[in-house]
Amino acid sequence: AQKITQTQPGMFVQEKEAVTLDCTYDTSDPSYGLFWYKQPSSGEMIFLIYQGSYDQQNATEGRYSLNFQKARKSANLVISASQLGDSAMYFCAMREAAGNKLTFGGGTRVLVKP
Amino acid sequence: NAGVTQTPKFQVLKTGQSMTLQCAQDMNHNSMYWYRQDPGMGLRLIYYSASEGTTDKGEVPNGYNVSRLNKREFSLRLESAAPSQTSVYFCASNLANEKLFFGSGTQLSVL
Repeated sequence: AQKITQTQPGMFVQEKEAVTLDCTYDTSDPSYGLFWYKQPSSGEMIFLIYQGSYDQQNATEGRYSLNFQKARKSANLVISASQLGDSAMYFCAMREAAGNKLTFGGGTRVLVKP
Repeated sequence: NAGVTQTPKFQVLKTGQSMTLQCAQDMNHNSMYWYRQDPGMGLRLIYYSASEGTTDKGEVPNGYNVSRLNKREFSLRLESAAPSQTSVYFCASNLANEKLFFGSGTQLSVL
């Protein structure tokens, strides 16, 4: 079974609008962490935001926020006020307590339209 | 700030050739990783090293070997390259339970 699932292979968003990228995960560990990374066309991996399983509040970092619904095992990324520079691939990843490694989802390609 | 440095950035191999991808980090991180990314897909873990002196298989270890030379360096070796190993390879490192820092990637083509 997939541990991290991103069901949206690609999406368009109008500049200045908000966009939500879906991520669901599967784990039996009570302690885990969820990460979002951005990969622009240049190829580097850029860390965006982190949510711990025991964090009481949803994580926010500037225009990025994480809609964490623990019971549904979802950790959706919300990008507010989209900019042209937000056009990129976005990856959700999970770290389980057993081991320090991250497992990545298949990614969602976002294209921001002017 | 160098961060995670990978070499080379590009490489073309013929089937059956061998090569080693080098990775070094200067952030005193304990853990290091090698991922591969096939076109349009996510990253898959090849091998990782939780600490100096230890290495473990990830999701797709077949055809690869690794060496954690010291705390800074973690190399990935392809003994006999195959076209299926054409991919972009990323090295990464972190401290326990923290975000991964990635290198800029190595684009490998095996003909």
